[in-house]
Amino acid sequence: SAVISQKPSRDICQRGTSLTIQCQVDSQVTMMFWYRQQPGQSLTLIATANQGSEATYESGFVIDKFPISRPNLTFSTLTVSNMSPEDSSIYLCSVGQAYGGPTSYEQYFGPGTRLTVT
Amino acid sequence: RKEVEQDPGPFNVPEGATVAFNCTYSNSASQSFFWYRQDCRKEPKLLMSVYSSGNEDGRFTAQLNRASQYISLLIRDSKLSDSATYLCVVNGDNSGYALNFGKGTSLLVTP
Repeated sequence: SAVISQKPSRDICQRGTSLTIQCQVDSQVTMMFWYRQQPGQSLTLIATANQGSEATYESGFVIDKFPISRPNLTFSTLTVSNMSPEDSSIYLCSVGQAYGGPTSYEQYFGPGTRLTVT
Repeated sequence: RKEVEQDPGPFNVPEGATVAFNCTYSNSASQSFFWYRQDCRKEPKLLMSVYSSGNEDGRFTAQLNRASQYISLLIRDSKLSDSATYLCVVNGDNSGYALNFGKGTSLLVTP
C-alpha cells in the first residue's frame, strides 16, 4: 500500500486563524480524500480531492471553510479556515487504490493531524 | 437513520475467546464493505475487505448478507494485541469510492 505522510502532526491554533494541512503520498494515486474524526466519533468524509479541478464536498462542508488543493497525483492540502473550537478534531488524508472498480478497492489513511482550537 | 450502525461495546473478553461484531448498513446500493481497526490515537488501518462469499484471514472471518444488509466480523482465539476499535465501513456515494464509517466497536482482550 502507499505510504502517506501528513504535516503537521498536531497543532494548537487560536480561533479566527487558518491552518493548512499537507498530505504527501509516495506514489501516484488517483483518489485522495479528506476526513475528520471529532473526539469520540467515527470518521466523516469532508471532500474528495480532485486533481486539476475543484474538490467535491460532502453535505455540511463548503469550500470557503475547507479549501482543498490537489496540484498533482501525490500531494494535496486541506485548509481549515477561520477556525473555532468546534473545528478541534483529527484531520486525516486518505488515498484509494482500485483494482477493478468499487468492488475491488482499498483505502488507506495517513497518520492524521490533531488540531486543537482555543 | 445512520448509514452504518454498530454496537459500540465495549466488548471485554478473555484471551483465547471468540468474539463477533455485527454491523448493518442502510444503502442497498453499496458495493464495497470493509473492516478497519483503529488503535487509540492512531489512524484506521484496513483489516480486511468483505466479499459476498465471505472471507477468512487467519483468525478473522468476515461475512456479508446483502439481503439483510448486515456484515459481521468474527475473531477467534483472541490475543491481547487484538484490543482496539473495529470500524465497519461501507461505500456510499454514486462513484463507489467514498466511504461511510460506523462509530466502531471497542474490544478489550484481557489476560
